[in-house]
Amino acid sequence: DAGITQSPRHKVTETGTPVTLRCHQTENHRYMYWYRQDPGHGLRLIHYSYGVKDTDKGEVSDGYSVSRSKTEDFLLTLESATSSQTSVYFCAISESSRSRDSNTEAFFGQGTRLTVV
Amino acid sequence: KNEVEQSPQNLTAQEGEFITINCSYSVGISALHWLQQHPGGGIVSLFMLSSGKKKHGRLIATINIQEKHSSLHITASHPRDSAVYICAVHSVKGGSEKLVFGKGTKLTVNP
Repeated sequence: DAGITQSPRHKVTETGTPVTLRCHQTENHRYMYWYRQDPGHGLRLIHYSYGVKDTDKGEVSDGYSVSRSKTEDFLLTLESATSSQTSVYFCAISESSRSRDSNTEAFFGQGTRLTVV
Repeated sequence: KNEVEQSPQNLTAQEGEFITINCSYSVGISALHWLQQHPGGGIVSLFMLSSGKKKHGRLIATINIQEKHSSLHITASHPRDSAVYICAVHSVKGGSEKLVFGKGTKLTVNP
């Protein structure tokens, strides 16, 4: 299996509290992503990173921030959790075909189920 | 309009039937993935394609770069194939790249 792990795998938190989810990779891939998955919406991009300290917003970035201080870790923070952020969060990593012998790869974390009560 | 469109959204089949799931995209890509997700489970990559066709067991994936279209076929379907199948593309724009997902196709195979 590819070296990508998410933590925690499950979390229940109260409205208004800060929450940080961690995605850790050992593949040295350039790109890292955070998505949320909700019924009827599929996987929606929250934020992504294309290198250390280089991040950009996705389609559902409001209420979320990210940080990438080193290649292997991409953190997703909910500054003040709301019930609408109850979801399953997936991390993904990928490497560009232009940088690795024309072989594009992508791997996915197992997901973090977050419940905001 | 979503950059990646899948059809159908839901599909019910009888065991043994031949199944096709379609994916169309509207952006430049460097590669396309077909993914599988069982209920409550993680996401598993079935195929990565940049051209042509790939086969793995009963699964076949094809891509037509000119038409911006890919298909996933399952031959001799089985109830254990019941899952959500997701198309994802490496979208390339202005020198940067990101993974964009379709909404998924929920497949149910009845015995």
